[in-house]
Amino acid sequence: TQLLEQSPQFLSIQEGENLTVYCNSSSVFSSLQWYRQEPGEGPVLLVTVVTGGEVKKLKRLTFQFGDARKDSSLHITAAQPGDTGLYLCAFNSGGGADGLTFGKGTHLIIQP
Amino acid sequence: DAGVIQSPRHEVTEMGQEVTLRCKPISGHNSLFWYRQTMMRGLELLIYFNNNVPIDDSGMPEDRFSAKMPNASFSTLKIQPSEPRDSAVYFCASSLVGGSGANVLTFGAGSRLTVL
Repeated sequence: TQLLEQSPQFLSIQEGENLTVYCNSSSVFSSLQWYRQEPGEGPVLLVTVVTGGEVKKLKRLTFQFGDARKDSSLHITAAQPGDTGLYLCAFNSGGGADGLTFGKGTHLIIQP
Repeated sequence: DAGVIQSPRHEVTEMGQEVTLRCKPISGHNSLFWYRQTMMRGLELLIYFNNNVPIDDSGMPEDRFSAKMPNASFSTLKIQPSEPRDSAVYFCASSLVGGSGANVLTFGAGSRLTVL
């Protein structure tokens, strides 16, 4: 059973288009993290969302944490080829020192 | 800081051979994590250490897998004997845990293991 369901699994769009990817669960989280992983590299943290309803912006990326803290979304405006990668959401499975549990991610390809 | 350093980056071995993957965490970080990534299963947590002590190894698939952290700057993940189904990318990550904040991981570039 996947605790975090990410959708879509794969997405390929043209440069300049907008897109939204989702991270859903039936569980409530104290916080949620988004990572981006490029081919041949490890995941890199993009953002941590903590408060229900919180919206964080990172240039063309907008992250939202659901009011009930069960889901999150990532919206990219005017996608660029450099946005290509695997987008992963993750949560702390236990206390602060525990490892993160990851969703399977959304594979995003931005075509020039 | 050079980040989390993993070696080797690529390893190809034959079934039955012993494989040792190495990790140097970020200096000052007090937690270290080993993950395995495959297309089918995504990123799976295998084991993690806090202050060099193994805390949770419930993700280790079977007794063929073992991990050690002899000091704060070095950890190994060993597979003996290796099997083709162990083929995956193995990531090491470290973090500084403290306070009430979320645990933020810094990952290495991974070790791609192919077992023939």
